[in-house]
Amino acid sequence: SQQGEEDPQALSIQEGENATMNCSYKTSINNLQWYRQNSGRGLVHLILIRSNEREKHSGRLRVTLDTSKKSSSLLITASRAADTASYFCATWDNYGQNFVFGPGTRLSVLP
Amino acid sequence: GAGVSQSPRYKVAKRGQDVALRCDPISGHVSLFWYQQALGQGPEFLTYFQNEAQLDKSGLPSDRFFAERPEGSVSTLKIQRTQQEDSAVYLCASSSDTGTGYNEQFFGPGTRLTVL
Repeated sequence: SQQGEEDPQALSIQEGENATMNCSYKTSINNLQWYRQNSGRGLVHLILIRSNEREKHSGRLRVTLDTSKKSSSLLITASRAADTASYFCATWDNYGQNFVFGPGTRLSVLP
Repeated sequence: GAGVSQSPRYKVAKRGQDVALRCDPISGHVSLFWYQQALGQGPEFLTYFQNEAQLDKSGLPSDRFFAERPEGSVSTLKIQRTQQEDSAVYLCASSSDTGTGYNEQFFGPGTRLTVL
């Protein structure tokens, strides 16, 4: 079973708009990571946020983490057609030795 | 440098056949993960190696699935007596992480397995 749950499942926006995706998880974590997957490049790591951090930025990406609500959000600003992909959150299970991925958000950025 | 490579990229098997999927991680990476990804879903964890030690195999769906990494580098995922429900993309990832989960994973392109 998957710990993370992303919403929305699918998101369609116009180029230049911002895209926000959310992820919820169930157990204690030490960090949360976001990955992107498209047919051209496979799964690629985007950003990692540790459990003691609340917000992190990387270029056009902004990630927030609320451990009290067990949730995270990924904001992509000024979206581009090349941002079209599926986005997954992944958590490292503190009790196990494995990463747990959510089902993903499919983002379509229309030119 | 070279990334994670997987072979074959595509595999078609008849139900009941055995298959072997290979993963070449990034040189020097301690950790290696196998995932199964069904269409439209996120990757599902199968098993984790730290060097040659298989530390977690809790995600392997049945005893038909077996993974090894005998010398701590290349890994093979073997599926015996394949079933149609085994059809999926099998992803391999490696990391310099040593069991904390703090380092990013580098993924291979995957092997798409189709069982007829």
